[in-house]
Amino acid sequence: AQSVSQHNHHVILSEAASLELGCNYSYGGTVNLFWYVQYPGQHLQLLLKYFSGDPLVKGIKGFEAEFIKSKFSFNLRKPSVQWSDTAEYFCAVSPNTGNQFYFGTGTSLTVIP
Amino acid sequence: EPEVTQTPSHQVTQMGQEVILRCVPISNHLYFYWYRQILGQKVEFLVSFYNNEISEKSEIFDDQFSVERPDGSNFTLKIRSTKLEDSAMYFCASSEDLWAGANVLTFGAGSRLTVL
Repeated sequence: AQSVSQHNHHVILSEAASLELGCNYSYGGTVNLFWYVQYPGQHLQLLLKYFSGDPLVKGIKGFEAEFIKSKFSFNLRKPSVQWSDTAEYFCAVSPNTGNQFYFGTGTSLTVIP
Repeated sequence: EPEVTQTPSHQVTQMGQEVILRCVPISNHLYFYWYRQILGQKVEFLVSFYNNEISEKSEIFDDQFSVERPDGSNFTLKIRSTKLEDSAMYFCASSEDLWAGANVLTFGAGSRLTVL
């Protein structure tokens, strides 16, 4: 069965620190990959997505993610976090054959000013 | 920017009661979804809906659950007889039917269900 693993459950960083959140998935076929963010009290919003092409994708607010096919990974990065990045981050995978989406458990990021 | 709207934002109900959660997807979207997130756990797929019928459902989506698109805009999730373990945040989402593999989910803010 398809699964998405996010290994970091809760991350606490100081402002200006660098961020990397891990995401691994298990699926044998071609996938589309997503990171969603949920700011406190708000809905899930798309941060960035990968469908094909350059495996390094850039999203909003300075976030980027790299798809490494051999490692089944799609880690999220940001070189310098801000207090406003405090949120829950969800990795999601969608097989290229349909409209199904599978989510990870989420990583809670707290940025200390 | 178009958004998915959900009501109510929070509902408290007694075990055994029926609950209906409502969603208004983005108007030109064709695929509709319900997901849920039990506190501290992952976002779980419940059901997807396309062309006025269920296209896919998970093992969570048993006979106690049903979905409906009663008019041209609303998409509802009904839980017939709620259980304690149904307490969760329920997210509605919609996506365009561009082509398989290019869809992006747009989520609503969620409806928090608390079953006592």
